[in-house]
Amino acid sequence: GAVVSQHPSRVICKSGTSVKIECRSLDFQATTMFWYRQFPKQSLMLMATSNEGSKATYEQGVEKDKFLINHASLTLSTLTVTSAHPEDSSFYICSATRQLEKLFFGSGTQLSVL
Amino acid sequence: GDSVTQMEGPVTLSEEAFLTINCTYTATGYPSLFWYVQYPGEGLQLLLKATKADDKGSNKGFEATYRKETTSFHLEKGSVQVSDSAVYFCALSDLRGGKLIFGQGTELSVKP
Repeated sequence: GAVVSQHPSRVICKSGTSVKIECRSLDFQATTMFWYRQFPKQSLMLMATSNEGSKATYEQGVEKDKFLINHASLTLSTLTVTSAHPEDSSFYICSATRQLEKLFFGSGTQLSVL
Repeated sequence: GDSVTQMEGPVTLSEEAFLTINCTYTATGYPSLFWYVQYPGEGLQLLLKATKADDKGSNKGFEATYRKETTSFHLEKGSVQVSDSAVYFCALSDLRGGKLIFGQGTELSVKP
């Protein structure tokens, strides 16, 4: 089946640094990718929708200047957490779809900001 | 807006017990409904889905029926196994935007 690879799986960084998370669709061309954030014991909250070759659409309350999303190719989307702070510590997960068919999820990235 | 509410966990069961995880939804249209499972250290995997009222999704012994009259999509399994221990998420999608709206997740722990 289709596979979505997300990297890194875990990252620890100092406050004020930027962190990039990659999401790759390995065996299909993902026209749309979604980025979610999950707090412990809570649901996944959609952060943004990313279509290849266009600007991401952010959900209400998500700072687009803090969470930079790039979807430069049909197999790769990146989420960059800029000037990370402890409150940005969370589990980030991406999903990818081709023409809004089935969604495939990455394995997630646990970000810890010290 | 659209939303999904799941029963709170954690749910702890003995092996071979019957499982029900309740899920209700609020939606303005006619969404598709999903159950996703997240095993420890892994990403979400689609467990089953139903796209219209009265549809029953089933997979790996799990079942859920799309009940429009009660706006519910409860997950059931007749006999759970230790390997079913995971977090289960109920979700809905209107498919137009492809976005999924998730419930808060229910952690299931099955003891031998």
